[in-house]
Amino acid sequence: DTEVTQTPKHLVMGMTNKKSLKCEQHMGHRAMYWYKQKAKKPPELMFVYSYEKLSINESVPSRFSPECPNSSLLNLHLHALQPEDSALYLCASSQQGTYTGELFFGEGSRLTVL
Amino acid sequence: QKEVEQNSGPLSVPEGAIASLNCTYSDRGSQSFFWYRQYSGKSPELIMFIYSNGDKEDGRFTAQLNKASQYVSLLIRDSQPSDSATYLCAVTSNDYKLSFGAGTTVTVRA
Repeated sequence: DTEVTQTPKHLVMGMTNKKSLKCEQHMGHRAMYWYKQKAKKPPELMFVYSYEKLSINESVPSRFSPECPNSSLLNLHLHALQPEDSALYLCASSQQGTYTGELFFGEGSRLTVL
Repeated sequence: QKEVEQNSGPLSVPEGAIASLNCTYSDRGSQSFFWYRQYSGKSPELIMFIYSNGDKEDGRFTAQLNKASQYVSLLIRDSQPSDSATYLCAVTSNDYKLSFGAGTTVTVRA
């Protein structure tokens, strides 16, 4: 299994809603990442979990809350988002426990905030 | 501020030609260099990585690294319409953080 699976693929939510994005990998990778990508821009790092511990938080607003229940799962909890948070949210994993550039990306969750 | 600059696109090449993509980086301490391909509406996919000066070939793709000039490039030989995508250059530095360039969009004309 060489995939990173993200659900849902599309999400529309209001500014008062609470929702979660989910990511799963079964490659035995030790690091998992959340990236945000706006149209025609490169991915921007949000969070990194290494060996299930949060190792990097790129000063992301608290309305985004990551969670790593185990080494295969990564969640991103969303609450009180703004329309400017609409973007493609990408989960990635890497074999190494530290931050590297050899990332496997999921297909992404396209979020629209109304 | 670590910067990764890519040649501005879009780049249009005829089928069968060589597409040449360039990337420069500002942090002389950069360690590793990556090329990702991203089709429209899809997620990035790692296609090449290079760690040492020189050339690295994989099929129709060749990555070239010159650390003295702080320059990395990607050549796509015998370009195919399926190569039409945005190519992202990415660089890791001593702190292992990955910095992406803005991307170059390539269109291969049949």
